[in-house]
Amino acid sequence: ETGVTQTPRHLVMGMTNKKSLKCEQHLGHNAMYWYKQSAKKPLELMFVYSLEERVENNSVPSRFSPECPNSSHLFLHLHTLQPEDSALYLCASSQKAYYEQYFGPGTRLTVT
Amino acid sequence: AQSVTQLDSHVSVSEGTPVLLRCNYSSSYSPSLFWYVQHPNKGLQLLLKYTSAATLVKGINGFEAEFKKSETSFHLTKPSAHMSDAAEYFCVGGNTGFQKLVFGTGTRLLVSP
Repeated sequence: ETGVTQTPRHLVMGMTNKKSLKCEQHLGHNAMYWYKQSAKKPLELMFVYSLEERVENNSVPSRFSPECPNSSHLFLHLHTLQPEDSALYLCASSQKAYYEQYFGPGTRLTVT
Repeated sequence: AQSVTQLDSHVSVSEGTPVLLRCNYSSSYSPSLFWYVQHPNKGLQLLLKYTSAATLVKGINGFEAEFKKSETSFHLTKPSAHMSDAAEYFCVGGNTGFQKLVFGTGTRLLVSP
């Protein structure tokens, strides 16, 4: 595997389910990010991790819970989501501050 | 504070004609600027980046962008559009915040035969 990978690519879940999104980067980077991309809205930064420590949490509801066990892996745990949480969730990584970010293909999440 | 404005939400061109996607930025500091492309149901792919080394930046797939400080612009161009260029393009700026990028709202490029 190369670059940034995300699994699953598609996920349909009910509002009472618990699921997790996984991201893995194979680039040796030190920072990882979660973004939410909704239709007709700008890309929203959700969380930033640097060297496994969360450095930013942009007022994201607690039903989204990130986890970064090491610098190569990032998870987004989901529980009791709402239909408006349906979106494309993108993971990215970067070498250091202000450097370009490399994105995974995204997970298309649908909440029913 | 940094902001990035993409001036067109949609741009339509014919195959073989030039492409111009416009981006203006505002920043208190010398910015880092990027262009990303997103094909349907895919992640964002880096096209090119400006980090003050050279004002004319060449990227992948024949795209290039010129940083013009006097105009605070970073427009993306390509001499001849291909059908495969049809996608959404994002202009992105480096913020003064820690590892935070500021994304434009995107320009959808439509290429007709």
